[in-house]
Amino acid sequence: EDQVTQSPEALRLQEGESSSLNCSYTVSGLRGLFWYRQDPGKGPEFLFTLYSAGEEKEKERLKATLTKKESFLHITAPKPEDSATYLCAVHGANNLFFGTGTRLTVIP
Amino acid sequence: GAVVSQHPSRVICKSGTSVKIECRSLDFQATTMFWYRQFPKKSLMLMATSNEGSKATYEQGVEKDKFLINHASLTLSTLTVTSAHPEDSSFYICSARLAGGGGTDTQYFGPGTRLTVL
Repeated sequence: EDQVTQSPEALRLQEGESSSLNCSYTVSGLRGLFWYRQDPGKGPEFLFTLYSAGEEKEKERLKATLTKKESFLHITAPKPEDSATYLCAVHGANNLFFGTGTRLTVIP
Repeated sequence: GAVVSQHPSRVICKSGTSVKIECRSLDFQATTMFWYRQFPKKSLMLMATSNEGSKATYEQGVEKDKFLINHASLTLSTLTVTSAHPEDSSFYICSARLAGGGGTDTQYFGPGTRLTVL
C-alpha cells in the first residue's frame, strides 16, 4: 500500500534560517513524486515533480531532491512569504497519494 | 499556463438541497480530472476520478449516488452534492491532469470550494 509521511508536522523558522522538509514514501512502482504548496483556503500550487533517485530541481529559494526512500524540500534563506503548508504526493500504480503536509511559518 | 478554475469558491446551503461545483481547465484539455475533499489541517483525500465521456471512478467509501460527477467536455467536470447534510461540509478541490511526454503527467489544482451545509 502506498504511504507518504511528512515531517515535521510544523516548522517555525526565522527569516533567513535555512532548513529542510522531509517526505518519506513507500510505493510500488514510483511514477513521480510531487511537491505542492498550499496557502490557507486555497488549492495546492504545483512546485516540482521528481521521477528518479538522484534527481534534483530548483525554483528560487526551493530545492527538491529524491532518493529511493525519501524526498527533501530544502528552503534556503526563507522569507515570510514562503509561509504555507508544503504537501508531498507520490504517484504509484494508483493515483496521487498525499502526505499530511508540513506547515511552515517564517517569522520576520 | 495550466490554470484550473472552480466555481463557486464558497457556498452555503440548507440541509437537503443539492449543490453543483464546476471545475474547468482554462488553457489545456484534460481527459482526466479528479475531485478531492480536505478537512481542516488534514491532507487531500481523493474522492473520484472523472473521465471525459465515461463514468467516474469512485474511491472506496465514497457514495456515487450522493456525489454525482459529470465530465461533459475536455475542459469541464462537475461535482453535484445531492441532498447535502452538515457532515458534507468541507473544502472540495478539483484537479486536472496535464499529460506530459513519456508518462510525465502533472495534476494542476483548482482554488477549491468551501461548502457549508446548515
